[in-house]
Amino acid sequence: SQTIHQWPATLVQPVGSPLSLECTVEGTSNPNLYWYRQAAGRGLQLLFYSVGIGQISSEVPQNLSASRPQDRQFILSSKKLLLSDSGFYLCAWTGIQNIQYFGAGTRLSVL
Amino acid sequence: SQQGEEDPQALSIQEGENATMNCSYKTSINNLQWYRQNSGRGLVHLILIRSNEREKHSGRLRVTLDTSKKSSSLLITASRAADTASYFCATDTGRRALTFGSGTRLQVQP
Repeated sequence: SQTIHQWPATLVQPVGSPLSLECTVEGTSNPNLYWYRQAAGRGLQLLFYSVGIGQISSEVPQNLSASRPQDRQFILSSKKLLLSDSGFYLCAWTGIQNIQYFGAGTRLSVL
Repeated sequence: SQQGEEDPQALSIQEGENATMNCSYKTSINNLQWYRQNSGRGLVHLILIRSNEREKHSGRLRVTLDTSKKSSSLLITASRAADTASYFCATDTGRRALTFGSGTRLQVQP
């Protein structure tokens, strides 16, 4: 069966520090992968999606970037975090009928 | 504005009551999906309804879809305290990503 791993679960970082969040999927090959951000009590904002290794589409221009170095690995990065980067970050992959399967999320606090 | 908008934003009911959440959207869809999110966790897929379907059931969940009104509703019957969560609709318009609404926060009082 397919599983998705996302870490870390919680992260507290100072403004101006770098960021690297990792997501890996098991049990499937060549999945479409997604990074979302969720503000407190709000819906999901699509940040990036990827249909294959090295193929990244950005939905919202911002302080973040994404990479897909391996088929089932998706990384969200920043060179210098801003206060506004705080939020709940979710990774997901898409199965049949475009149903999305989410990781447990990373709570990022930028102080 | 978002493709999917849920209504109400928050809902508080007693255990055993039914909970109804609504979702409106703006463009044509292939399907509409409902997800649940427990506090501080990822979203979990609940049910999918295709654009040519009008109603679908899964356990205590009932979803309706009215494409002429571009709206959907999620009914949870005989609610339980464990149903407390946020519920999101998501539309599949054929683009690579679903579009999620802002969610309904459901509180079920024991």
